[in-house]
Amino acid sequence: GQNIDQPTEMTATEGAIVQINCTYQTSGFNGLFWYQQHAGEAPTFLSYNVLDGLEEKGRFSSFLSRSKGYSYLLLKELQMKDSASYLCAVSDSNYQLIWGAGTKLIIKP
Amino acid sequence: GAVVSQHPSRVICKSGTSVKIECRSLDFQATTMFWYRQFPKQSLMLMATSNEGSKATYEQGVEKDKFLINHASLTLSTLTVTSAHPEDSSFYICSARDPGREVGEQYFGPGTRLTVT
Repeated sequence: GQNIDQPTEMTATEGAIVQINCTYQTSGFNGLFWYQQHAGEAPTFLSYNVLDGLEEKGRFSSFLSRSKGYSYLLLKELQMKDSASYLCAVSDSNYQLIWGAGTKLIIKP
Repeated sequence: GAVVSQHPSRVICKSGTSVKIECRSLDFQATTMFWYRQFPKQSLMLMATSNEGSKATYEQGVEKDKFLINHASLTLSTLTVTSAHPEDSSFYICSARDPGREVGEQYFGPGTRLTVT
């Protein structure tokens, strides 16, 4: 079956760095996405990885290792507004998005 | 960037009535749109995939006669919840795929909060 695993909840301190991991097992792979979702709102796109390596975009970076079925989202210089759920999603062989359950990130002052 | 709108943002209806939710891609033509449901503190659950001009593909466990999907144009898909019951109360989110952008990337509407009393 298809499976996406990510931690349920993480806590970090304002100004610090946090890494959210995602492991996946899917039928085919056409890229991995990270989305941010604030409570009561729809998800917004953060990043897309289809090749191995690190993609950096401002305070956010995303890493992919296809051989390990592994990705992480790295958030630097954390701000209170970064408190949200972070969703990992994999595009499978049919280009359907398979979603993880999301990681709730709590930022403390 | 690609923008998807949804209407209404909130709706309260009585049990047994029907509710229609609209999803529009504003600045691109979406050949494929998706409908999700999200219960509190849970992740997105894909309900159905809607392709313009053809019947929607429903996920296992989703009643196609209860959740009617119409994708009549490249910019509009509608979800009608028929004979709504309190257990249908949820956050309904649509998304659309822009053929001109990253394969698989989906742009989300703001969501519709449905409350059935």
